[in-house]
Amino acid sequence: EVQLQQSGPEVGRPGSSVKISCKASGYTFTDYVMNWVKQSPGQGLEWIGWIDPEYGSTDYAEKFKKKATLTADTSSNTAYIQLSSLTSEDTATYFCARDTMGITLDYWGQGVMVTVSS
Amino acid sequence: DIMMTQSPLSVAVTPGESASISCRSSKSLLHSNGITYLSWYLQRPEKSPQLLIYQISNLASGVSDRFSGSGSGTDFTLKISKVETEDVGIYYCVQFLEVPFTFGSGTKLEIK
Repeated sequence: EVQLQQSGPEVGRPGSSVKISCKASGYTFTDYVMNWVKQSPGQGLEWIGWIDPEYGSTDYAEKFKKKATLTADTSSNTAYIQLSSLTSEDTATYFCARDTMGITLDYWGQGVMVTVSS
Repeated sequence: DIMMTQSPLSVAVTPGESASISCRSSKSLLHSNGITYLSWYLQRPEKSPQLLIYQISNLASGVSDRFSGSGSGTDFTLKISKVETEDVGIYYCVQFLEVPFTFGSGTKLEIK
């Protein structure tokens, strides 16, 4: 059974960074690209970017290029997103989601709530 | 970026009746490879989005056949037949033709 297990809620101070994990199981981690999606409170969904765990290649939406860094550890089948220079705009739930051959996102993690607060 | 426009914003349905949600893209989602990169998701309250349909009309694994998708090019429709209480949530259309992938603003389905 495919599962994407994300880490727990995070609280970050303005200006600091947080790193969220997404541990994959039930499939070959390097066979699928991993995407990240943001959902601000009460808002819709926003694509952040993707990482190919096999090659480490990445692509980002323009607005997240200076905000998010995507990495992957193939030894632990875990994808990560680091959010830097936190502001109140970064308070949101962040989802990881598996990409099926570039056609769609079929499996999603449970989401991680990041709260930026002093 | 490709803009995805959904309507209506919300819909209230009596159990057992049908509901339709429309989605329009600012650019054709048909790739030269013949695939149309349009998917539908349901996000139930406090849950992750769940894939319902991909490539306009292909039902995702485990999804009820009460859900169906249609359309082409830039205009798409999700139909929910015999609505049940478990169908409550927000429905999103998404384009995967090109990055950045973009989502519609969502349609909230409520039960009357």
